Amino acid sequence: DAGVTQSPTHLIKTRGQHVTLRCSPISGHKSVSWYQQVLGQGPQFIFQYYEKEERGRGNFPDRFSARQFPNYSSELNVNALLLGDSALYLCASSIRTSGGTNEQFFGPGTRLTVL
Amino acid sequence: RKEVEQDPGPFNVPEGATVAFNCTYSNSASQSFFWYRQDCRKEPKLLMSVYSSGNEDGRFTAQLNRASQYISLLIRDSKLSDSATYLCVVALPSGNTPLVFGKGTRLSVIA
Repeated sequence: DAGVTQSPTHLIKTRGQHVTLRCSPISGHKSVSWYQQVLGQGPQFIFQYYEKEERGRGNFPDRFSARQFPNYSSELNVNALLLGDSALYLCASSIRTSGGTNEQFFGPGTRLTVL
Repeated sequence: RKEVEQDPGPFNVPEGATVAFNCTYSNSASQSFFWYRQDCRKEPKLLMSVYSSGNEDGRFTAQLNRASQYISLLIRDSKLSDSATYLCVVALPSGNTPLVFGKGTRLSVIA
């Protein structure tokens, strides 16, 4: 079975542009979470979606938005890019909404560089 | 105070050594605890969950002390392939912050 897939793998943008990152969860998983990992830090939670509804949001500005589609895939959008948005963006899927004992499976990430 | 704090590292150890990682968490409502492993430029992968009674998986032993809000990971007989960053992770009961990661501790096992 395919794991979590993300596209693109790498992306270079300039300040002020916007970007859309895509994620497809493991088949049968209905929950998708997005994390941002800057160099030297652990991943930080951005959003969680379950059954196409936002179920959680981390401490990120409104420039960050996301959505989940009927097939449970998800997009993360970032507007008005800043240099500090350069990071590895990770998507994780799980069967249910909450953390707890539900293992989250991470995709390979999208490495975004903002120049 | 950070929600999850780990030893800053890096840890450089010879093959065969025993190495211990420590982690503390600030939110006493945290319900689930994990160690993830992340190789360079790769995604995090679950190494093991951590249970109150402590648990072992081969050369890896994880322990949890809820009273002290402390989690540990012990790696015995280190292998070159253990070289990676180890992330301490906690989860709250609610879905708002599914996983809270520490900064990670880099381990290099040297031949």
